[in-house]
Amino acid sequence: SYVLTQPRSLSVAPGRTAIITCGGNKIGSTSVHWYQQKPGQAPVLVIYNDRDRPSGIPERVSGSKSGNTATLTISRVEAGDEADYYCQVWDTSSDHSYVFGTGTKVTVL
Amino acid sequence: EVQLVGSGGGLVKPGGSLRLSCEASGFTFSSYGMSWLRQAPGKGLEWVSSISSSSNYRYYGDSVKGRVTISRDNVWNSLYLQMNSLRAEDTAVYYCARGDCSGGNCRLDFWGQGTLVTVSS
Repeated sequence: SYVLTQPRSLSVAPGRTAIITCGGNKIGSTSVHWYQQKPGQAPVLVIYNDRDRPSGIPERVSGSKSGNTATLTISRVEAGDEADYYCQVWDTSSDHSYVFGTGTKVTVL
Repeated sequence: EVQLVGSGGGLVKPGGSLRLSCEASGFTFSSYGMSWLRQAPGKGLEWVSSISSSSNYRYYGDSVKGRVTISRDNVWNSLYLQMNSLRAEDTAVYYCARGDCSGGNCRLDFWGQGTLVTVSS
């Protein structure tokens, strides 16, 4: 199955930009989705199909992809953005499984 | 409003069994594939199992294959996970989630609040 690699952690000052990467050798051939998980809460889908936002997600959250790396960008970071972020792809090669990245903890300074 | 309410977690001894439930509301349950995922304490997200909208297809992760069974009841809008031969490494918060596979690529667009399973003697 896929292995999706993310940086373990990231610290960013309020008002600055957080950039979270997700690398995998098949990312270029499939869609990537992103989830935000705050402490003690269930994950929330924030980006789907590489760059689309579900309703209710602010425009300062965006996604992109280049080659085998997907990127989640959070502009004008706020205290409420402090959370774990996971990328995800859907693997149809074997068990139609949801494969998650290792997760990135974003700390707002 | 889409709601997924998980239940059934608890403390169980190694080798024991547990049945998790997830009650859905706010959408046409029978039109969506559903999944169970889990998160061990301090760890990342792990996919456990998925079931298609009409139960024709069921998929399991390698770590639980042969020990768990996913099922659903489209009359009662409920999803289930029967877990047998539980091990300490099955200790986790278990989430149910709705799958959205529009465009041929699946993501999980709504998640339940999670139910904690603790396997310990």
